[in-house]
Amino acid sequence: ETGVTQTPRHLVMGMTNKKSLKCEQHLGHNAMYWYKQSAKKPLELMFVYNFKEQTENNSVPSRFSPECPNSSHLFLHLHTLQPEDSALYLCASSRALGEGAQETQYFGPGTRLLVL
Amino acid sequence: GDSVTQMEGPVTLSEEAFLTINCTYTATGYPSLFWYVQYPGEGLQLLLKATKADDKGSNKGFEATYRKETTSFHLEKGSVQVSDSAVYFCALSEGTDKLIFGTGTRLQVFP
Repeated sequence: ETGVTQTPRHLVMGMTNKKSLKCEQHLGHNAMYWYKQSAKKPLELMFVYNFKEQTENNSVPSRFSPECPNSSHLFLHLHTLQPEDSALYLCASSRALGEGAQETQYFGPGTRLLVL
Repeated sequence: GDSVTQMEGPVTLSEEAFLTINCTYTATGYPSLFWYVQYPGEGLQLLLKATKADDKGSNKGFEATYRKETTSFHLEKGSVQVSDSAVYFCALSEGTDKLIFGTGTRLQVFP
């Protein structure tokens, strides 16, 4: 139990569906992250939010739309995904980002997504 | 750009065997180095870290030493247990808080 929860844990969706992934952290952190984990590939950082402001968008297609309404919650809205988007999506949080700071990231258990 | 290279798995060991998982990195500056572990069905957990050359990170019997001269951060444990079976990720960060991960190495320990 790392203090970061994700729902749902598993999701199957068609290419025309719209769904959302939710992440919540109970650690008092101010930075939150979305990662994509695909088989045999390094974890790919998708988005970073610091104090609810997006600070990183790692060339992610627009069919993935993040939302960070407050420092404790992070969403990933999914729309017209492709089968190659099937992966484990991991959320993480850390204390606020700062130049030169090095904060440990705490990960949730992930949402395993299958796009048919 | 920065990158991390890990040995391919799976690594299969008997209980109480010695473990080494190799990790080398490429970076322009002086990164911090990490090992994360992912147990089945769970997210990643920080196992240990080192922030400067010659530092040794250690936790739960695992150790890794930051070797600048060989750009390596190999993970070792003297006696593995079945409960250590997991996927291990080496990662680096150059002060931007952006973690760059390797592909992960699966460890399987049998009784």
